[in-house]
Amino acid sequence: GAGVSQSPSNKVTEKGKDVELRCDPISGHTALYWYRQSLGQGLEFLIYFQGNSAPDKSGLPSDRFSAERTGGSVSTLTIQRTQQEDSAVYLCASSMEYQETQYFGPGTRLLVL
Amino acid sequence: AQSVTQPDIHITVSEGASLELRCNYSYGATPYLFWYVQSPGQGLQLLLKYFSGDTLVQGIKGFEAEFKRSQSSFNLRKPSVHWSDAAEYFCAVGTGGFKTIFGAGTRLFVKA
Repeated sequence: GAGVSQSPSNKVTEKGKDVELRCDPISGHTALYWYRQSLGQGLEFLIYFQGNSAPDKSGLPSDRFSAERTGGSVSTLTIQRTQQEDSAVYLCASSMEYQETQYFGPGTRLLVL
Repeated sequence: AQSVTQPDIHITVSEGASLELRCNYSYGATPYLFWYVQSPGQGLQLLLKYFSGDTLVQGIKGFEAEFKRSQSSFNLRKPSVHWSDAAEYFCAVGTGGFKTIFGAGTRLFVKA
């Protein structure tokens, strides 16, 4: 596709359930980022993938959060045993190798009841 | 540690008036600097970026920003605001290691 796509656009879940959020980056972009945006807050860096290198997981808030990127393209962010404080918009972005400009998807709005 | 500060949580301007959104950063070397805009329910769109060279950078939608090293600032300006500019604006610093640090954002309201 022409841009970064994310699915689902909205997700409502119950506390304690697991959720999976998907990101399809721009074709040819080797770098992929996940951010969390809580209400009224800026962007909180979660994880970064670059090519075949080990991902930078330094922003993941707890071991309930994990992410993978299959075949250097699609990425899935998984949140296990969701908590109400996980409610936020989760944004994915991609960029070309050695380029700083990131292109963002529309986000997944997660609500944990 | 690297950081980005956007001092104004929200700003209201009249349509047709000029706009300046403030951004200050903390970084030991020359940073890469960005301004992004986020419309309601949308992802972030790049307005402009500074990597090197001319410190006055032109962007899309009539926006410009000026890098002032002495003040560690990268303020965003527009001479005449349109109602469609109402959105949230994020300043960001790239540190060359692919980790970009975002400010908390400034929400712009435009009144008729």
